[in-house]
Amino acid sequence: SQTIHQWPATLVQPVGSPLSLECTVEGTSNPNLYWYRQAAGRGLQLLFYSVGIGQISSEVPQNLSASRPQDRQFILSSKKLLLSDSGFYLCACVRSSGLNYEQYFGPGTRLTVT
Amino acid sequence: RKEVEQDPGPFNVPEGATVAFNCTYSNSASQSFFWYRQDCRKEPKLLMSVYSSGNEDGRFTAQLNRASQYISLLIRDSKLSDSATYLCVGFGGGKLIFGQGTELSVKP
Repeated sequence: SQTIHQWPATLVQPVGSPLSLECTVEGTSNPNLYWYRQAAGRGLQLLFYSVGIGQISSEVPQNLSASRPQDRQFILSSKKLLLSDSGFYLCACVRSSGLNYEQYFGPGTRLTVT
Repeated sequence: RKEVEQDPGPFNVPEGATVAFNCTYSNSASQSFFWYRQDCRKEPKLLMSVYSSGNEDGRFTAQLNRASQYISLLIRDSKLSDSATYLCVGFGGGKLIFGQGTELSVKP
């Protein structure tokens, strides 16, 4: 079975500082990978998705970026954090098999920008 | 209009009650649907997948009505441990589209 690792689990960063969140996946190959953000009391917002190494699609304009340097590694970054970047960041992996799709989420990173 | 819409609740029900959540979607091309459960400050976990007209797993039943573009989740004999937020999700075009979630609180 596949496992998604995210780190760090929690992070407190000042406004204007850089950010790097990492997601790695075990137990599958060539997965579709996703970054979501969940602000307090709100639903999940899709930020980026990737169907392969070096392939990134951005869903919303923002000061965040994503990279996929390896098949099972997905990184979320920012050069300068804003207060509005606070939230719960979740990495997800979708593995398709025929007509069935199985989705898994990592444990998430809770980011507080102060 | 949001692509996936849910009543945010909260639904406050006594133990043993039957509760139903509805979810509507706007994209008729959506291929599959899912119900996730999310506990407070935790990641969403897949509860049930709906690929055809419905699915049943123990006390949980999901139904899909493509003509009316809605999905439902029925929980029978609700337990205290069922208290959580339930997320309705559509899958299409390689992406998951999440509803905002419905909060359920089961009371003793």
